Amino acid sequence: DAKTTQPPSMDCAEGRAANLPCNHSTISGNEYVYWYRQIHSQGPQYIIHGLKNNETNEMASLIITEDRKSSTLILPHATLRDTAVYYCIVRVANRDDKIIFGKGTRLHILP
Amino acid sequence: DTEVTQTPKHLVMGMTNKKSLKCEQHMGHRAMYWYKQKAKKPPELMFVYSYEKLSINESVPSRFSPECPNSSLLNLHLHALQPEDSALYLCASSQGDPKNTEAFFGQGTRLTVV
Repeated sequence: DAKTTQPPSMDCAEGRAANLPCNHSTISGNEYVYWYRQIHSQGPQYIIHGLKNNETNEMASLIITEDRKSSTLILPHATLRDTAVYYCIVRVANRDDKIIFGKGTRLHILP
Repeated sequence: DTEVTQTPKHLVMGMTNKKSLKCEQHMGHRAMYWYKQKAKKPPELMFVYSYEKLSINESVPSRFSPECPNSSLLNLHLHALQPEDSALYLCASSQGDPKNTEAFFGQGTRLTVV
């Protein structure tokens, strides 16, 4: 079973920051938080991951709370191309650990 | 090259047919995955291969038979499928460096069983 809880859907205006929350209250000390997104009819795409520090890359920022029980993915300037289902996943960073998808958040970017 | 290539992109098969899905990656990844995704649902894990050995089978029916002939290739053999097996089948790969274990997914094979 997925170890994360996300809102089923969110709207965000184009050009604004999209903040996607994720709860993972049962996360273990050796589990990372990963974010993927899936644009309609395509394979999931990796966005970012982190253990306990905040992370930033060219796509997004990941903010993890100090107790690690929740996190927020931030898309700083959302565009229409960011419309997708966003999945928050908790997993141990071993090569063959399961990658279990929850229901995700369907993000709609509004023009 | 950060691609996972899946073939065919689309497949229609009868319930008595035998077919295979193919997945290929040249990133040196030693873990490879098969997922099944129904419409408007998240991907469901089917199998995980680690160093060409089956490490996880999520109680998948035997009409689905995975095979990993070498470190770059992953096949999914299909036999006697049911219409409810129609779905998008996704392949993924990842490597074991704890700092860089993101999985790369292919674009999937859309399977229709008639």
